[in-house]
Amino acid sequence: QVHLVESGGGVVQPGRSLRLSCAASQFTFSSFGMHWVRQAPGKGLEWVAVISYDGSNTYQADSVKGRFTISRDNSKNTLYLQMNSLRVEDTAVYYCAKGQDYAMDVWGQGTTVTVSS
Amino acid sequence: QSALTQPASVSGSPGQSITISCTGTSSDVGNYNLVSWYQQHPGKAPKVMIYEGSKRPSGVSNRFSASKSGNTASLTISGLQAEDEADYYCCSYAGSSTYVFGTGTQVTVL
Repeated sequence: QVHLVESGGGVVQPGRSLRLSCAASQFTFSSFGMHWVRQAPGKGLEWVAVISYDGSNTYQADSVKGRFTISRDNSKNTLYLQMNSLRVEDTAVYYCAKGQDYAMDVWGQGTTVTVSS
Repeated sequence: QSALTQPASVSGSPGQSITISCTGTSSDVGNYNLVSWYQQHPGKAPKVMIYEGSKRPSGVSNRFSASKSGNTASLTISGLQAEDEADYYCCSYAGSSTYVFGTGTQVTVL
């Protein structure tokens, strides 16, 4: 069964950095693009970033461009999200999701990031 | 990258059919037949219900169907059941490998 497990969330002050990880198992991780999607408390889903299967191409939402970097290590079956210059409005549950046919077909359980002074 | 517009809430009685709309622009929904729909129960991760406009993943009930007309996509749930009560989100490919989600719709089974 395809499995994604996020980690690395926590409480951080505005302006600081945090790196999220997403461990993948039970599928050929290196064959699929991967996404990060977030959900602020009580709010809707927001697409954050995507990375191609081999890591050669990355794209981000305008709201995080220049601050967040998506990357992957296919030898470790792990996806990352480096978040710099964090803002209060970045507070959310962050999900990683497997890309398939222009959709996100498998999701992790999410990791919570709280940006607060 | 403005969020797609969905009604905040839709309700129906068991057995009825409901339709959730998802309105975008000619740059996203209107330009690609690549809308996906997600169901999210409280405290849970989203689950894909529809992909590539109208295709159902294996294991998703055929009570869920979707279509598109112009800049508006729609999800229809027929034979509404208590377990369908959840939040639903549309998501469209928006070009240049970017995506945009809808504002979300809370479905209530009366």
